[in-house]
Amino acid sequence: QKEVEQDPGPLSVPEGAIVSLNCTYSNSAFQYFMWYRQYSRKGPELLMYTYSSGNKEDGRFTAQVDKSSKYISLFIRDSQPSDSATYLCAMYAGGTSYGKLTFGQGTILTVHP
Amino acid sequence: GAGVSQTPSNKVTEKGKYVELRCDPISGHTALYWYRQSLGQGPEFLIYFQGTGAADDSGLPNDRFFAVRPEGSVSTLKIQRTERGDSAVYLCASSQDPGSTDTQYFGPGTRLTVL
Repeated sequence: QKEVEQDPGPLSVPEGAIVSLNCTYSNSAFQYFMWYRQYSRKGPELLMYTYSSGNKEDGRFTAQVDKSSKYISLFIRDSQPSDSATYLCAMYAGGTSYGKLTFGQGTILTVHP
Repeated sequence: GAGVSQTPSNKVTEKGKYVELRCDPISGHTALYWYRQSLGQGPEFLIYFQGTGAADDSGLPNDRFFAVRPEGSVSTLKIQRTERGDSAVYLCASSQDPGSTDTQYFGPGTRLTVL
């Protein structure tokens, strides 16, 4: 079993829909949680960063972390065709594992006009 | 300013050959990471440099893989006796400081194909 599980989709939604993306993890040492967006033939770019449990909002994006359930989510409101990409969750434990990100498989999202 | 750059963007080689993949991090970034992304998968950690030294190379799959960063800036990932299973996109990332809140900036990757 992988440390981080993410449904690969693909997920197809109409423009304006609310999108929910999720990851589960097994390593209770993870404390830092991120969501990356990756366009085709490009490197991942950081969207959201959360430390420990709680919610964080940035424009149309909301990240949630529930450490008790080992479950993280990314919500996209009013989705746009430009949001079409692969979304990767990532996490790390901190401490001596600085920077060593563990990624989920990625969810392919298509937002159609 | 300029982001992380990687060369070549594509590399096709034959099984058994040696390849070098180059990464130019963002200027001033002390931390540098290599990841490997297979088709349909998320990136997997290979190695992390703090300055010139490899602080964590636990992700290198075997001794055919080696990476250097001799002057604390540019890094080269070297793969000996390539195998078809090495085919993947090799991503490089850099961050200003390996602190817990530091953002890793990724390059576009080198797509390696081993025939």
